[in-house]
Amino acid sequence: SYELTQPPSVFVSPGQTATITCSGDGLGRKYTSWYQQKPGESPLLVIYQDRKRPSGIPERFSGSNSGNTATLTISGTQPMDEADYYCQARDSRIAVFGTGTKVTVL
Amino acid sequence: QVQLQESGPGLVKSSETLSLTCTVSGGSVSNGDHYWNWIRQSPGKRLEWLGYIYYTGSTNYNPSLESRCTMSVDTSKNQFSLSLTSVTAADTAVYYCAREVVGDDGSQFGFDVWGLGTALTVSS
Repeated sequence: SYELTQPPSVFVSPGQTATITCSGDGLGRKYTSWYQQKPGESPLLVIYQDRKRPSGIPERFSGSNSGNTATLTISGTQPMDEADYYCQARDSRIAVFGTGTKVTVL
Repeated sequence: QVQLQESGPGLVKSSETLSLTCTVSGGSVSNGDHYWNWIRQSPGKRLEWLGYIYYTGSTNYNPSLESRCTMSVDTSKNQFSLSLTSVTAADTAVYYCAREVVGDDGSQFGFDVWGLGTALTVSS
């Protein structure tokens, strides 16, 4: 089965850039979405189709996808961005989620 | 503003069948631009996609669960449902329903609306 691998944790200082990677075989040929999940809340879509932001998502969230790696970048990270982040793609119509990355802002 | 609300038993005994319902408000489950999905999150926080149903009744299931999984849609009640048979402790999770926008060419735009989730515990 298809797998998406993320680093378990990322640490970032306020105002700095957080980079979260998502690796999967041939991922660059698939569309990737990214979700933010805060404790006790449902996941929130922050990026779809590799780099598009839904309405209401701040511009500091951006995405890219090439080769075997998709990347979520948070520029000027704010304390409110501390959360778990999951990538997601489809492989033969089956939706697959990444292992998740905890972003800590300190 | 479309909202989704899951409902379920909270506790199911091992080997029994789980039944969950998702009620759609502020929009229509008959909207041909959307797939209606079930996703669960284990206590270890892993997210697992279970499958989706289209308003026509067409379904697409995760192969890992396909033999135990059935989804249905009730357009008159604006609801869709999940049935999972022969549950075990491994099915203990928070279950979410989620909407996915589908483009004219079949391209998918991510899960843009989620319910609050309903926790399920499987007891022995």
